[in-house]
Amino acid sequence: QKEVEQDPGPLSVPEGAIVSLNCTYSNSAFQYFMWYRQYSRKGPELLMYTYSSGNKEDGRFTAQVDKSSKYISLFIRDSQPSDSATYLCAMSAPGGYNKLIFGAGTRLAVHP
Amino acid sequence: SQTIHQWPATLVQPVGSPLSLECTVEGTSNPNLYWYRQAAGRGLQLLFYSVGIGQISSEVPQNLSASRPQDRQFILSSKKLLLSDSGFYLCAWSLENNQPQHFGDGTRLSIL
Repeated sequence: QKEVEQDPGPLSVPEGAIVSLNCTYSNSAFQYFMWYRQYSRKGPELLMYTYSSGNKEDGRFTAQVDKSSKYISLFIRDSQPSDSATYLCAMSAPGGYNKLIFGAGTRLAVHP
Repeated sequence: SQTIHQWPATLVQPVGSPLSLECTVEGTSNPNLYWYRQAAGRGLQLLFYSVGIGQISSEVPQNLSASRPQDRQFILSSKKLLLSDSGFYLCAWSLENNQPQHFGDGTRLSIL
């Protein structure tokens, strides 16, 4: 079993839809959770960073962490064609050198 | 603000040739530095990380090596490339442990 599981998609939605992206994980020591957006042929760009459980909102993006279920989500409201990209979840445990464990990424296509 | 530069953006090399990819960070001191490889449709695999000048830790035994000759410079090298070394190589930095990592735009390496 992989430490982090993420549905690769692709996920295709119409413009304006609410998008839900998810990851599950197996290591209960993970405390730091991140979402990255990666456009084709570019490096990942940090979207959201949360510590422990709870919600965090930034504009159209909301990140949720449910540590009891080992489940994290990223919601995108009012999705735009410019949101079309691959979304990667990543997480790490306290201590050490900050080793991030990444999901494989979900490809999202928002069509006009 | 901090910026990260990677070059070249694209590289085509014959099997058995040497490799040198360079990454530099501006706007910060003593960052943690990382090299990742991303295979198509898969998550990021950590290759090397460094917490200071001359200090390199390897995550995966392989045909590659890394060096950090200066505080904000990280180099990925190989003496003889293999076909299996093809991929998308990403450099990243973070300020401290358990802080988000920030990525460069990567080098797409093709081995012929």
